[in-house]
Amino acid sequence: EVQLVESGGGLIQPGGSLRLSCTASGFTFSSYWMHWVRQAPGKGLVWLSCMNADGSDTRYADSVRGRFTISRDNTKNTLYLQMSSPRAEDTALYYCASSLVGASFPHFVSWGQGTLVTVSS
Amino acid sequence: DIQMTQSPSSLSASVGDRVTITCRASQSIHTYLNWYQQKPGKAPKLLIYGASSLQSGVPSTFSGSGSGTEFTLTISSLQPEDFATYYCQQSHAMMWSFGQGTKVEIK
Repeated sequence: EVQLVESGGGLIQPGGSLRLSCTASGFTFSSYWMHWVRQAPGKGLVWLSCMNADGSDTRYADSVRGRFTISRDNTKNTLYLQMSSPRAEDTALYYCASSLVGASFPHFVSWGQGTLVTVSS
Repeated sequence: DIQMTQSPSSLSASVGDRVTITCRASQSIHTYLNWYQQKPGKAPKLLIYGASSLQSGVPSTFSGSGSGTEFTLTISSLQPEDFATYYCQQSHAMMWSFGQGTKVEIK
């Protein structure tokens, strides 16, 4: 069974740092682009970042570029998101998701259930 | 970045109704357009990819069309389990973005 399990969320103070993790199982992790998406309470989905299968290519949304860093460890089947200098508006449920390398029409094939990050003093 | 605009933001409909949701891109995305359904407290679920390809297991009451900058998701006969929020997503050049969502509510 394909599973993506996020962890690491919690309460963080503005200006602090936090690292989210997403552990994958049930599929060949190293064959997939991996993504982070967030959803603020009562709001819509926002794509944040992605990384290709071998970690050589990363993309970021303007809203997090320079503050958040995506990384992965294919030996541990784990994706990470390092959050630096968080702001109150970064409060959200953070999902990881996967898309298959080489798909003709890229789309998210699997999602985790999310980890909640609250930025507050 | 490519901006995606959905309309309407919400709609009320009855079981059996035909429902159409529109998604517009700020520039051409060819057919790199996907649709997802999200129910409260759940992760999104893929419905349509490549603008018009139905994901395996998704009822044939769902269909997608369009290319370039204008796309539609159609539910031909709304079922009770279809009341949810729907999002379009573009994946042109592996820089992704979502529309703001359309909430489909019971009339």
